[in-house]
Amino acid sequence: GQSLEQPSEVTAVEGAIVQINCTYQTSGFYGLSWYQQHDGGAPTFLSYNGLDGLEETGRFSSFLSRSDSYGYLLLQELQMKDSASYFCAVRDKSGGYQKVTFGIGTKLQVIP
Amino acid sequence: EAGVAQSPRYKIIEKRQSVAFWCNPISGHATLYWYQQILGQGPKLLIQFQNNGVVDDSQLPKDRFSAERLKGVDSTLKIQPAKLEDSAVYLCASTHWDREETQYFGPGTRLLVL
Repeated sequence: GQSLEQPSEVTAVEGAIVQINCTYQTSGFYGLSWYQQHDGGAPTFLSYNGLDGLEETGRFSSFLSRSDSYGYLLLQELQMKDSASYFCAVRDKSGGYQKVTFGIGTKLQVIP
Repeated sequence: EAGVAQSPRYKIIEKRQSVAFWCNPISGHATLYWYQQILGQGPKLLIQFQNNGVVDDSQLPKDRFSAERLKGVDSTLKIQPAKLEDSAVYLCASTHWDREETQYFGPGTRLLVL
């Protein structure tokens, strides 16, 4: 089966940089996704890494190391609106279709 | 383009009652997912459809949960009978065949079982 680990809570200061780590165990690994979810809202896709390296999308970047079964989401120039839960999600492929498993989520609190 | 639609947005029922949720994915999205998200946890996949066929329902409690996507477009998830532990948000998501890594989620249905 699949398992993911990410910190349950992180607090950071407005304007700073924060890194949210995710380690995973799975067979048939295909890629790692990141989603943002505000309280009461639906998850929103942020980023996807299918290959090793860094993907940058504005203030958000995501990194993947397949050999270490590890990835992270980097948020720069933090804003108050970034306070939300962030989920890593492993995509693997078995039986001919892609399956997604979400982590428990990291609740990020941005403070002034 | 219109997003994933879900209804109802909220539902309160008593245990042992039945409830149904509806989802209409983004037009042209072949893959549709139903997730259960309990407060403080990540979304848990219940069932995944590819067009009108089920590709994964390994985590669906089949003694009480059922889902269908008869025409390969909209889908219905049913719980019968409901238990207290079914209180959760039920999320529907869809993906385009060309961008399977990007799931688009609907607003969810908040279910409270009393």
